[in-house]
Amino acid sequence: AQSVTQPDIHITVSEGASLELRCNYSYGATPYLFWYVQSPGQGLQLLLKYFSGDTLVQGIKGFEAEFKRSQSSFNLRKPSVHWSDAAEYFCAVGAGSGGGADGLTFGKGTHLIIQP
Amino acid sequence: DTAVSQTPKYLVTQMGNDKSIKCEQNLGHDTMYWYKQDSKKFLKIMFSYNNKELIINETVPNRFSPKSPDKAHLNLHINSLELGDSAVYFCASGLGTSYEQYFGPGTRLTVT
Repeated sequence: AQSVTQPDIHITVSEGASLELRCNYSYGATPYLFWYVQSPGQGLQLLLKYFSGDTLVQGIKGFEAEFKRSQSSFNLRKPSVHWSDAAEYFCAVGAGSGGGADGLTFGKGTHLIIQP
Repeated sequence: DTAVSQTPKYLVTQMGNDKSIKCEQNLGHDTMYWYKQDSKKFLKIMFSYNNKELIINETVPNRFSPKSPDKAHLNLHINSLELGDSAVYFCASGLGTSYEQYFGPGTRLTVT
């Protein structure tokens, strides 16, 4: 079965600084890869996704992520964070024989704190 | 014009009660899901429905029963609620072929 690791439980970044959130997955082939953001008391919003093709994908709110097959990683980046980016970020993997009906496997999340 | 909606947003109830959470999507997707987010914010798939058929049931107690009257709705009924059922429950919908899913706002269930 696939698994997702987000090694950083908390990350603190100053406003305006760059950001990188790490995500590693375990799966025999290339899975479908996603990043979601959850603001306090809110649902999950899809930031970006990778299915195939260009390994650098652009998402909403100025986020991008890079798929690196050799490292089984899909790290999320943003060049300059804003206070409104403070939230919980989840990396997720879609994989398995059932297709999309299998559901997503999520990492445990990274809590992003923005310092003024 | 909310894509995935859930009701209620908050649900406080006592142990032993039976409750339901409703979910509706207007995205035209053919697959809907229920996820549970625990107190440590860990998200885990509970159920998946594709065209009104249960596809997966991940080690969920049989006190939980999903019901899909049509492909735009997936309700979650919970019998004999226990303290450990306290969590946030998210409904999601997707095309089913690509794993891309869109989530509802969540229902925070508190069992006292």
